[in-house]
Amino acid sequence: DQQVKQNSPSLSVQEGRISILNCDYTNSMFDYFLWYKKYPAEGPTFLISISSIKDKNEDGRFTVFLNKSAKHLSLHIVPSQPGDSAVYFCAATAGDQFYFGTGTSLTVIP
Amino acid sequence: DSGVTQTPKHLITATGQRVTLRCSPRSGDLSVYWYQQSLDQGLQFLIQYYNGEERAKGNILERFSAQQFPDLHSELNLSSLELGDSALYFCASSASGGHSYEQYFGPGTRLTVT
Repeated sequence: DQQVKQNSPSLSVQEGRISILNCDYTNSMFDYFLWYKKYPAEGPTFLISISSIKDKNEDGRFTVFLNKSAKHLSLHIVPSQPGDSAVYFCAATAGDQFYFGTGTSLTVIP
Repeated sequence: DSGVTQTPKHLITATGQRVTLRCSPRSGDLSVYWYQQSLDQGLQFLIQYYNGEERAKGNILERFSAQQFPDLHSELNLSSLELGDSALYFCASSASGGHSYEQYFGPGTRLTVT
């Protein structure tokens, strides 16, 4: 039962444009959401997080939006850079349980 | 470099065998988490330890077990291995046991069961 879903396996964006990565979830008890970035042959690295009591969190070029009514989470990267090319995982927590999506592979084209 | 180390990097073994994966958390981190990533799958949370005690269990099979030692390193034991256990196994650590804390991931151990 995949409680966190990333329905787009891949995304290509031109350098300098906006990248929007989406994530849907089913469990209304999730209270914290996180995004991780993963390069090949490395473990995931934390990017940005948001509490369920907020609807937006911004950190430099990265902004996460949370729409609780739609159970939808998105990560915006502006402007996109070639170094952003990686696999992005969204994750959610409920109590002590952690749930990750299957990832979206982002390619930023120079 | 996240500061989390995992050994070995690669492991090839046969069905029915038992292996042990090792993880050393970042200095000072008390929590260790284990994840499994199979082909085309997301990260599946297996288990969490906090300061030597089991804190949370996810989708961990009964054939798998883990422990965290007094020096805070952790081991994941996989026994009676099956072909489907072939995957990347990640360890992560965080300063606290709280689920809002970001986790720092190791580079993973790639297990191949033949």
